[in-house]
Amino acid sequence: DAGVTQSPTHLIKTRGQQVTLRCSPKSGHDTVSWYQQALGQGPQFIFQYYEEEERQRGNFPDRFSGHQFPNYSSELNVNALLLGDSALYLCASDRADYGYTFGSGTRLTVV
Amino acid sequence: DQQVKQNSPSLSVQEGRISILNCDYTNSMFDYFLWYKKYPAEGPTFLISISSIKDKNEDGRFTVFLNKSAKHLSLHIVPSQPGDSAVYFCAASVDKAAGNKLTFGGGTRVLVKP
Repeated sequence: DAGVTQSPTHLIKTRGQQVTLRCSPKSGHDTVSWYQQALGQGPQFIFQYYEEEERQRGNFPDRFSGHQFPNYSSELNVNALLLGDSALYLCASDRADYGYTFGSGTRLTVV
Repeated sequence: DQQVKQNSPSLSVQEGRISILNCDYTNSMFDYFLWYKKYPAEGPTFLISISSIKDKNEDGRFTVFLNKSAKHLSLHIVPSQPGDSAVYFCAASVDKAAGNKLTFGGGTRVLVKP
């Protein structure tokens, strides 16, 4: 049973560019959350998707947007990249209980 | 405004001894707490959790203690093993219901020496 799959694993972008990160949830999970983990810090909640709608949002600017597809997979989009957006982006999925399963993350470097 | 804090960035312990990791929180609405373990190049993996109606939860070598009045929780690992070397995150939520966001502490890096 595959867990949460994220792609790509690593990415280098230039300031001002846009990036799309992808996440496939664990089989049977219908809720997807995205977290940003800056170096030396804990993960910070970006937003969560359920039934293709954004259900909750953390304290992140509108440059961060997302989408959930009918198969529950999700994308995180970041526009107008800043150097400070360099981080590990984690996707987590769950369903009905509190069994969050995290993916291994996408390491984004903005130069 | 850091609602969940892990004040010890690192901890070194001898194999076989006890590891004690601490976590403080400020938001009195938090009622569910979790500990995650993270190895490099992997996502966080769930270790153990505790609801605010309890003050202790045990699972094998891992025990979590919750002191609501002090807004403090701790994770005890006994005995510590070299494979326990990782970064440990404390996390909190206002509700155990599915889909509630987690607020994480900054993490404690644990090194277990053989």
